[in-house]
Amino acid sequence: RKEVEQDPGPFNVPEGATVAFNCTYSNSASQSFFWYRQDCRKEPKLLMSVYSSGNEDGRFTAQLNRASQYISLLIRDSKLSDSATYLCVVEQAGTALIFGKGTTLSVSS
Amino acid sequence: EPEVTQTPSHQVTQMGQEVILRCVPISNHLYFYWYRQILGQKVEFLVSFYNNEISEKSEIFDDQFSVERPDGSNFTLKIRSTKLEDSAMYFCASSDLGQLTTKSDNEQFFGPGTRLTVL
Repeated sequence: RKEVEQDPGPFNVPEGATVAFNCTYSNSASQSFFWYRQDCRKEPKLLMSVYSSGNEDGRFTAQLNRASQYISLLIRDSKLSDSATYLCVVEQAGTALIFGKGTTLSVSS
Repeated sequence: EPEVTQTPSHQVTQMGQEVILRCVPISNHLYFYWYRQILGQKVEFLVSFYNNEISEKSEIFDDQFSVERPDGSNFTLKIRSTKLEDSAMYFCASSDLGQLTTKSDNEQFFGPGTRLTVL
């Protein structure tokens, strides 16, 4: 059973587009939720935490629906530099982060 | 900005050999982790370490693996007898788990990784 599922993509969008990524998680006891970004052959880097009330950081908006066990990330006004793999990450009881396989975004000019 | 560092960046070894991967976590962090990522696959949790002992480990972290904090700055992962399937990128991470900040999230900061190739 997959613990964190994401659409692998790739999502190919033009600059300026709005793109949305979705993620579901299987463990209802999960406590914290994150979106990480990973560039090719690099380490994951935290993009933003995700809260039940929804949160926004510039062009990025994250939403969490605990009842549906669903997490989303919206990127507005896509930039070339947004091209990367976006990882949905869930922390269960304890400290381990459980990663999804990632959704690949390619932004073109 | 403080960062997690890892050495070496790339390690090539023969099957059956022992390897030690080294990490220097962020200096005031209290929790340390190892993750691995096989090429083309997802990042997988191996082990977490706090107060000089393992606090959590995954099924992957079997008897072939061990971790150690030999001094006040380094955190190491040892693989005793490497297998071909151990070839992966190994990431070290650290966090303060909100102990040192007002944040409650377990924000983990990742090092650049060590690419392990087992031949």
